[in-house]
Amino acid sequence: GDSVTQMEGPVTLSEEAFLTINCTYTATGYPSLFWYVQYPGEGLQLLLKATKADDKGSNKGFEATYRKETTSFHLEKGSVQVSDSAVYFCALTGGSQGNLIFGKGTKLSVKP
Amino acid sequence: DVKVTQSSRYLVKRTGEKVFLECVQDMDHENMFWYRQDPGLGLRLIYFSYDVKMKEKGDIPEGYSVSREKKERFSLILESASTNQTSMYLCASSLEPYGYTFGSGTRLTVV
Repeated sequence: GDSVTQMEGPVTLSEEAFLTINCTYTATGYPSLFWYVQYPGEGLQLLLKATKADDKGSNKGFEATYRKETTSFHLEKGSVQVSDSAVYFCALTGGSQGNLIFGKGTKLSVKP
Repeated sequence: DVKVTQSSRYLVKRTGEKVFLECVQDMDHENMFWYRQDPGLGLRLIYFSYDVKMKEKGDIPEGYSVSREKKERFSLILESASTNQTSMYLCASSLEPYGYTFGSGTRLTVV
């Protein structure tokens, strides 16, 4: 079945460092791809999405490009802030009725 | 903005109790979902619903049931709570099969 694999965390970075969180997927057809963020004590919020190959989603300085040839959707940010500390989930539309399938999440901690 | 409200942020229940987790959305979304979130396992789909009185099993429905009597409300029921159901429960709604809006979650502890 469809699945999402994210890099294991936790990831610890210093403020202003470059961030990459890897995400690869397995899917039949052409899923839409998403990154969600969960701040401590809160539910998940949509960070960005891409609906077809070569699309780039972007929001709040984060970017991810839908790479069909490598089945990847890696999340990047050029300069992280302490306020970016959160858990990041990669997801795709899949399942029998198009419900979202999530990766296991990657915890990011940014130190001042 | 769409708002998804879960009735309790923290809940402590005893083994064997019947537990109701309530979720209400205010934007007339057709689709609603219940996930549980556990460390190292990510989010796992318990049940979902694409219409009133309609329900579909997700990946881990055992020990749970759901009720959707009104479009805005989707309840998750633990028929007889057990300690392995201690978890964070997240409700979500969407107008399409994707583009979810999540509630803040209910952290349930079963003792």
